[in-house]
Amino acid sequence: QVQLVQSGAEVKKPGASVKVSCKASGYTFTSYGISWVRQAPGQGLEWMGWISAYNGNTNYAQKLQGRVTMTTDTSTSTAYMELRSLRSDDTAVYYCARAVEGDLGYYFDYWGQGTLVTVSS
Amino acid sequence: DIQMTQSPSTLSASVGDRVTITCRASQSISSWLAWYQQKPGKAPKLLIYKASSLESGVPSRFSGSGSGTEFTLTISSLQPDDFATYYCQQYNTLETFGQGTKVEIK
Repeated sequence: QVQLVQSGAEVKKPGASVKVSCKASGYTFTSYGISWVRQAPGQGLEWMGWISAYNGNTNYAQKLQGRVTMTTDTSTSTAYMELRSLRSDDTAVYYCARAVEGDLGYYFDYWGQGTLVTVSS
Repeated sequence: DIQMTQSPSTLSASVGDRVTITCRASQSISSWLAWYQQKPGKAPKLLIYKASSLESGVPSRFSGSGSGTEFTLTISSLQPDDFATYYCQQYNTLETFGQGTKVEIK
């Protein structure tokens, strides 16, 4: 069965960086992309970006350009999301999700369990 | 950017009720729309993709319709397990979520 298992909760100070991992199993990793979606406390879902597990191509949300980097390690079927220059409004649960191709975008059929990132001084 | 607007934001209903949630896109997205259910502390769960295709394993009381800019998610007979927050998501151009609709017990 398809599973996406994420790394554990993190507490970071403003200005620091965080790197969250997402280990995939149960399918051919390079056949699908991975997207990252975050959810601030009590708020809705925000798409952060997408990475192709096949060739590493990326597409990031404009508001995060320059602060976010998504990578994959095909040898371990793991995707990573690094967010730099953390601010208090980056406090959120971060989800990885398997991306199924639509027209020019993707929907998400399997999700990780989420990783809480807390940014606090 | 394509904006997605859901209505209502909150919906109070009883078990057995027929429930309809609306999602409007700021421009045409053809049928490139998905619906998700999210319960507190859990990841979202895919219910519907391509506006009306039911994801495998999702109960048939859930259905989706619409195209262009207006879409609906219908639960034909609300069950206790259905009290949750529902999100629409367009994937015509990049990805955008609606703000969510919370279905609560009346």
